[in-house]
Amino acid sequence: SQTIHQWPATLVQPVGSPLSLECTVEGTSNPNLYWYRQAAGRGLQLLFYSVGIGQISSEVPQNLSASRPQDRQFILSSKKLLLSDSGFYLCAWSVSGGTLTGELFFGEGSRLTVL
Amino acid sequence: KQEVTQIPAALSVPEGENLVLNCSFTDSAIYNLQWFRQDPGKGLTSLLLIQSSQREQTSGRLNASLDKSSGRSTLYIAASQPGDSATYLCAVRPTGANSKLTFGKGITLSVRP
Repeated sequence: SQTIHQWPATLVQPVGSPLSLECTVEGTSNPNLYWYRQAAGRGLQLLFYSVGIGQISSEVPQNLSASRPQDRQFILSSKKLLLSDSGFYLCAWSVSGGTLTGELFFGEGSRLTVL
Repeated sequence: KQEVTQIPAALSVPEGENLVLNCSFTDSAIYNLQWFRQDPGKGLTSLLLIQSSQREQTSGRLNASLDKSSGRSTLYIAASQPGDSATYLCAVRPTGANSKLTFGKGITLSVRP
């Protein structure tokens, strides 16, 4: 069966520090990968998605970037965190098949607090 | 632009009650609709996926229906239990190979023992 792992689960960082959140998927090949952010009182916001190694699409211009160095690894990064980057970050995957229309499966999330 | 609404934002019911959670969307040109459950501080768990050609899907005590013409989906939970307490989110995917999910803000359900 497929599993998705996301770490760290909790992170407290000072403003201006770098960020790296990692996500890996097991049990499937060439998945579509996604990063979402969930802010308090707001819906889920799609930040990035990837349909293959090195292929990153950005949905919202911001202080963050994403990379996909391996087939089942997705990384969310920032060079300098802002207070507004605080939130709950969720990695997700879906079966590829050439489209983004498959069922979405989420990881456990990473809680980021920027002070 | 697709908008997804879930009302009410919170719901409290006694254990054993059958209940219906509503989800409405503005654009009926959808590819599929997915229901999720989220426990506090946790990620989302996929409950049911309904394709646009389907009217309903069932999993255990859960049944989700889809009426595209009216822009509505309902999640029916039979014989609710305290363990069903969580936030339930629906998400709609428009038609198109690279379409993205639009999420509702969720309904926080509390089932009282």
